[in-house]
Amino acid sequence: AQSVTQPDIHITVSEGASLELRCNYSYGATPYLFWYVQSPGQGLQLLLKYFSGDTLVQGIKGFEAEFKRSQSSFNLRKPSVHWSDAAEYFCAVSNFGNEKLTFGTGTRLTIIP
Amino acid sequence: NAGVTQTPKFRVLKTGQSMTLLCAQDMNHEYMYWYRQDPGMGLRLIHYSVGEGTTAKGEVPDGYNVSRLKKQNFLLGLESAAPSQTSVYFCASRGEGSNQPQHFGDGTRLSIL
Repeated sequence: AQSVTQPDIHITVSEGASLELRCNYSYGATPYLFWYVQSPGQGLQLLLKYFSGDTLVQGIKGFEAEFKRSQSSFNLRKPSVHWSDAAEYFCAVSNFGNEKLTFGTGTRLTIIP
Repeated sequence: NAGVTQTPKFRVLKTGQSMTLLCAQDMNHEYMYWYRQDPGMGLRLIHYSVGEGTTAKGEVPDGYNVSRLKKQNFLLGLESAAPSQTSVYFCASRGEGSNQPQHFGDGTRLSIL
């Protein structure tokens, strides 16, 4: 069965600083990987996805993620965070055929001035 | 463009009462999903549907039933609500093709007293 680990429950970053959120997955084949963002009281919005090809994927709002098969990781990065990036971030992995998603427990991001 | 719409947004029930949560999507998507979100646990899949007239169990199906009589609607039912079902419920849908991401509604906050 597939699983996702987000080891950081809560991260605090200064506005303008760089950001990296960690995600490790467990899956027996080539995974489909996603990052979603959730603002308070809202649903989840897709930031980016990886299915195949280039291991560095670009998403919305200036985010990017890199798939590293050898480390079973799909870390999310942003070079300079903005106060509006404060939210909860979820990594997810899909089974073959992308029928079902398994989510990590999320990382809450706080931005300080 | 409404996307995925969940009804109601909030509800308070007493233990033992029943209710139905409605999810409607206007994107002609084949796949639909119901998740619950609890603090520190991410999103967990309750039931899902791969097309009109089909349903399948997810990770945490006990205490819930679903129906997909029309392609655009996916109903989640609680026959006898329990306090353990207090949660935020999210519906999602995705189109045909394994490279399609899931699109989420804004959630239903349900409290069982």
